[in-house]
Amino acid sequence: EAGVTQFPSHSVIEKGQTVTLRCDPISGHDNLYWYRRVMGKEIKFLLHFVKESKQDESGMPNNRFLAERTGGTYSTLKVQPAELEDSGVYFCASSRRTGTTNNEQFFGPGTRLTVL
Amino acid sequence: AQSVTQLGSHVSVSEGALVLLRCNYSSSVPPYLFWYVQYPNQGLQLLLKYTTGATLVKGINGFEAEFKKSETSFHLTKPSAHMSDAAEYFCAVSGGKTSYDKVIFGPGTSLSVIP
Repeated sequence: EAGVTQFPSHSVIEKGQTVTLRCDPISGHDNLYWYRRVMGKEIKFLLHFVKESKQDESGMPNNRFLAERTGGTYSTLKVQPAELEDSGVYFCASSRRTGTTNNEQFFGPGTRLTVL
Repeated sequence: AQSVTQLGSHVSVSEGALVLLRCNYSSSVPPYLFWYVQYPNQGLQLLLKYTTGATLVKGINGFEAEFKKSETSFHLTKPSAHMSDAAEYFCAVSGGKTSYDKVIFGPGTSLSVIP
């Protein structure tokens, strides 16, 4: 089966612009997660979807970040307006439906965002 | 709250030498523990995981880790380093209350292998 895919792989934008990142989870995976790693810091959880619903968005840094998962398939993460401190690598992960005992999260390759 | 610490942001070993990457965690509930690896220009790949049962866990590429509850540790080892092991390694924990909890990552350890 195909893995988690993310688009674009790299994005370079200027401060104040808008960027939209996309994640396509593994087919059939109800759970979708966003994480990010800013320069020199740990990989941090941003939010978790179960199908199209936000299960946990406690890691979203501020209201410049908007995540959606319409239809419970792919997800987008929009940053508007982007700030310098948003630079980093944004990872997406997916896992099978809840209630299973072996619910490994599979990670995508990440999107490297650079804000100038 | 859960957290993960990794001793040493950079570790260098000679090819063929033992690899030991240290990880300690804190968790108020029985944790699920993971080691992920990120090779240059690639995404995160799961090396191994501990959920329940046997405390010595074997993973891919000859790596293994042992869950020691009394020490709150989950150190990663490999008997003989290979050049291809050069990468960044992340220890991680999730809540364990539900198998789909968010993952909390450590800061990462960059492993260099010297020929």
